[in-house]
Amino acid sequence: QLQLQESGPGLVKPSETLSLTCTVSGDSFSSNNYYWGWIRQPPGKGLEWIGSISYSGSTFYNPSLKSRVLTSVDTSKNQISLKLSSVTAADTAVYYCARQDSFCSGGNCYLRWFDPWGQGTLVTVSS
Amino acid sequence: DIVMTQSPDSLAVSLGERATINCKSSRSVLYSSNNRNYLAWYQQKPGQPPRLLINWASTRASGVPDRFSGSGSGTDFTLTISSLQAEDLAVYYCQQYYSSPTTFGQGTKVEI
Repeated sequence: QLQLQESGPGLVKPSETLSLTCTVSGDSFSSNNYYWGWIRQPPGKGLEWIGSISYSGSTFYNPSLKSRVLTSVDTSKNQISLKLSSVTAADTAVYYCARQDSFCSGGNCYLRWFDPWGQGTLVTVSS
Repeated sequence: DIVMTQSPDSLAVSLGERATINCKSSRSVLYSSNNRNYLAWYQQKPGQPPRLLINWASTRASGVPDRFSGSGSGTDFTLTISSLQAEDLAVYYCQQYYSSPTTFGQGTKVEI
């Protein structure tokens, strides 16, 4: 059974860089049928997609965050990582990683739904 | 970006009754070449991550009870819980994956 677990500091100072890791256990990490996504949820609010990365390192980012986001993959550890720079209080949220179904054809990939999700980790931005 | 708007924001339903949640997209999410609607529904219980319920607007995910059903096409979609159970207390979200960035509705809270 596929499991995802987010980890990283729960408190980050304003203007610094938020860094999180998602460890994937079970199969499908190296599959070409999936991407691995980051989604966040501010306390009491809705869901916002941050970005997604494939096993081979191909990335898609939300344009609203693209200038501050970097994702990477460590295939030896079955891990994906998220870095979000220049954080402010508005970046306080529960950060989730999730497997994202995808379809690739002719050099283009199309990302779909998220399933399953990790439990999430709360990151608070505060001095 | 495609804006997803859900209604109502919250819904109180008695046990055993039907619950209906609406989701409207600012642009059609129906891909004409395959006649598929690029829309998913999720359930998020308190303190838990979202769980996929439905993709392609009407296909239940593995293990999802058949009291959950999705319908609609183009810009207007509905999630129906045919007979509400106590464990269905949750917030429900729709998501469009027709175009990037993928976007979610603001959520609908179902209360008993």
